[in-house]
Amino acid sequence: EVQLVQSGPEVKKAGESLKISCKASGYSFPNNWIGWVRQMPGKGLEWMGIMKPADGDIRFSPSFEGQIIISADESLSLAYLQWSALKASDTAMYYCVKGGAYGSVDVWGQGTMVTVSS
Amino acid sequence: DIQMTQSPSSLSASVGDRVTLTCRASQTIKNFLSWYQQNPGKAPKLLIYGASNLESGVPSRFSGSGSGTDFTLTISSLQPEDFATYYCQHSFRTPYSFGQGTKLEIK
Repeated sequence: EVQLVQSGPEVKKAGESLKISCKASGYSFPNNWIGWVRQMPGKGLEWMGIMKPADGDIRFSPSFEGQIIISADESLSLAYLQWSALKASDTAMYYCVKGGAYGSVDVWGQGTMVTVSS
Repeated sequence: DIQMTQSPSSLSASVGDRVTLTCRASQTIKNFLSWYQQNPGKAPKLLIYGASNLESGVPSRFSGSGSGTDFTLTISSLQPEDFATYYCQHSFRTPYSFGQGTKLEIK
């Protein structure tokens, strides 16, 4: 079974750093795009960025470029989303996603809720 | 960047109704369009990819059509579990983006 299992909820203060993770299983991790989608409380879905672990190709939405770091550890089939200095406006649910046919998202993680207090 | 606009933002309908949701791209995206369903507190679920391809396990009452800039998602006969929020997403080139969503509510 193809699965993405994300790390647990986080409560942080503004200015702190954070790295959340996503463990992939059931498919070829290096050769499939993996990425992140944000959903702020009560709002819609926002595509943040994706990467191909095999070659390190990373693509960002302009809204998030420079604000986040996307990385992966091929040997552990883990993807990461990282912030160096959180803001209150980063409070959201973050979904790890796997790229599918036609660039769709065919598998979603369960989500990681990040709460940032000012 | 390509912008996606969904209409309507919300829609009230009854069980058994046929409903059509619309998604428009700001420029051509050929058929690189997907549809997702999200229930409250849950992760979204892929329904349609490539504009008209039904994802495995998705009921056949869901169908997608369109190409270029205009796309539709049709639910042929609404079931109670279909009342949810629906999103379209383009994947023509990065950055990909989602529409703002259509909330389908029970009348």
